[in-house]
Formats: sequence, structure tokens, C-alpha cells
Amino acid sequence: GAGVSQSPSNKVTEKGKDVELRCDPISGHTALYWYRQRLGQGLEFLIYFQGNSAPDKSGLPSDRFSAERTGESVSTLTIQRTQQEDSAVYLCASSGLGTQEKLFFGSGTQLSVL
Amino acid sequence: GQNIDQPTEMTATEGAIVQINCTYQTSGFNGLFWYQQHAGEAPTFLSYNVLDGLEEKGRFSSFLSRSKGYSYLLLKELQMKDSASYLCAVRDRGSNYQLIWGAGTKLIIKP
Repeated sequence: GAGVSQSPSNKVTEKGKDVELRCDPISGHTALYWYRQRLGQGLEFLIYFQGNSAPDKSGLPSDRFSAERTGESVSTLTIQRTQQEDSAVYLCASSGLGTQEKLFFGSGTQLSVL
Repeated sequence: GQNIDQPTEMTATEGAIVQINCTYQTSGFNGLFWYQQHAGEAPTFLSYNVLDGLEEKGRFSSFLSRSKGYSYLLLKELQMKDSASYLCAVRDRGSNYQLIWGAGTKLIIKP
């Protein structure tokens, strides 16, 4: 597509449930990033993919968080047993040449855990 | 350690000029980005500086001083649509070239 697409745009879930967030990067972009942004705060790095591999998972806050990417395209971020502190906007970004290029962001998924 | 500082909020008047500052501390500076983020929307790229000096792009300019660990974003002829958050991010060799993000500056434009 023309830009980075994320779905769903909004997700309300109950504490303890699992959620799956999806990101479709710009076609041909090899690098893909997941960030978390809490209200009024900066971007918190979660994970980075180069192709289908994840050389940097250092930002994942706990083992409840996992992500995968297939076909050097779509990525899914899964949060298991959601907690209220997981409530945030989850942003996906892609870039063309790995870490040296500017990032193009999706509109994000607003996750609310009740 | 790594640290990016920028003011939390600024207010300016339509038609005026505003300067948003960003100071940083990183172990291996490799470029600085400014992004604009309207409420509820994705951040969009504004500018990139890797060498000292001023980069001008229409109404927006960005300045970098590597020796001072300092950058600013200058917005001229402010328009109401410029009301947004402005995010400063530094690429850091010490962090595998990942971007380290500031918390953003919320700019409010008044008529």
C-alpha cells in the first residue's frame, strides 16, 4: 500500500485477555519497528525487524510481549494476559534501508485494558 | 547514558516565529531527526541533521551543534495547523543505531 497500515485502530479488552496487533509496512521496506507511546510521553522502543529476523528485542517489557514478521511484510505484536499498564498507543514504523533511513509511521492502535 | 530533553509545552501566536530546543546526550551520535505528530495521528518526518549547521525547508528550519549536543526546530509564519507535538530523536551508534526519542514538545498556536 501507499503507507504503513495498522489494525485495529482501537482495541478495548479486559485485563487478562490476549490481544494481537497487526502492521502492514510499506511494500519493499525491509526494516520494521514497534513502539509504544503512553499518553503525553515519548516513543518507547519495543522491537526491530530486519527482514523476518529480530536482531533487537531489547525493548519488549516482559515475556508477555512477543512479535513476529513473515514474508518480510506483515508483522503482528501479541500481548498475552494484558494488564492495565499495557494501555497505550502501539505504533508501527517501517524504513527502506534498515537503520539508516527515516521512519514512516502507521496511525497506531489505541489499546485500552479495562 | 542516553538522554533527550525538550520542553513539554510551548505557546505561540499565529504568524509569529517559534524555536523548539532539543538537547541530547548519547554515546555515539549519528544523526538527529525532527518529527511532527498531530493529536491522534502518526508522527511524520520533518527534518534530518547529521552535520553542524542549519537546514532550511520552507517555513521550517533545523539547526544542529554536535559539540554542544543541541538542536532546534524553527517554525516561521506560524499557522493554526502547526499546532502539534514536535518530537526530537537521535540515532545512536551505541544503541545499534536505534533512534532515541524525546518526550515531545506540544506546540499550541493561538490566533
